[in-house]
Amino acid sequence: EAQVTQNPRYLITVTGKKLTVTCSQNMNHEYMSWYRQDPGLGLRQIYYSMNVEVTDKGDVPEGYKVSRKEKRNFPLILESPSPNQTSLYFCASSTVGAANSGANVLTFGAGSRLTVL
Amino acid sequence: GNSVTQMEGPVTLSEEAFLTINCTYTATGYPSLFWYVQYPGEGLQLLLKATKADDKGSNKGFEATYRKETTSFHLEKGSVQVSDSAVYFCAFTGNQFYFGTGTSLTVIP
Repeated sequence: EAQVTQNPRYLITVTGKKLTVTCSQNMNHEYMSWYRQDPGLGLRQIYYSMNVEVTDKGDVPEGYKVSRKEKRNFPLILESPSPNQTSLYFCASSTVGAANSGANVLTFGAGSRLTVL
Repeated sequence: GNSVTQMEGPVTLSEEAFLTINCTYTATGYPSLFWYVQYPGEGLQLLLKATKADDKGSNKGFEATYRKETTSFHLEKGSVQVSDSAVYFCAFTGNQFYFGTGTSLTVIP
């Protein structure tokens, strides 16, 4: 089954304790992205990657790191989590085509709910 | 810059009522337009899309028409069901993906 898998789905941690949220896709997609969803703010992009070893900042990258060493994996790293990073996180992936081709349909993971105390 | 503006919620409707969720966009070029839906406790999933002017996307009774002249992509459904209760996101692709803030819909029996 074509899917994006995130882990963990739920995590409670404490301020300053490094954590990694993994994301893996099995569709051979070039594009991968991380979003956070907060009440009243909708989806905000954290980082995205157009292909292996190519990453770029989204709208809210502060406090996060990513890497793209393999095409299928795109982990999100919180080096020193803080309470304002408590949120629902989504990973998503897509093929890369022309903006008006209709090929760029994002497939989302089920989400990772993170609480930082 | 690129952005999406969609109708604020929450929206509460009775079953079988007509639904419209407004969406307008600001973009360079000719993007593809999308509606995504997020059911409670799940990730977003594609509801429908349109790739060029005057295209109509449709799925599960929902429709939206790509209106280039008004840069709009309003979502409509003629008769909503309780199972349509979800959050709806308008989006488009430029050099990256741009999402609206989402509109929460609750349908009551």
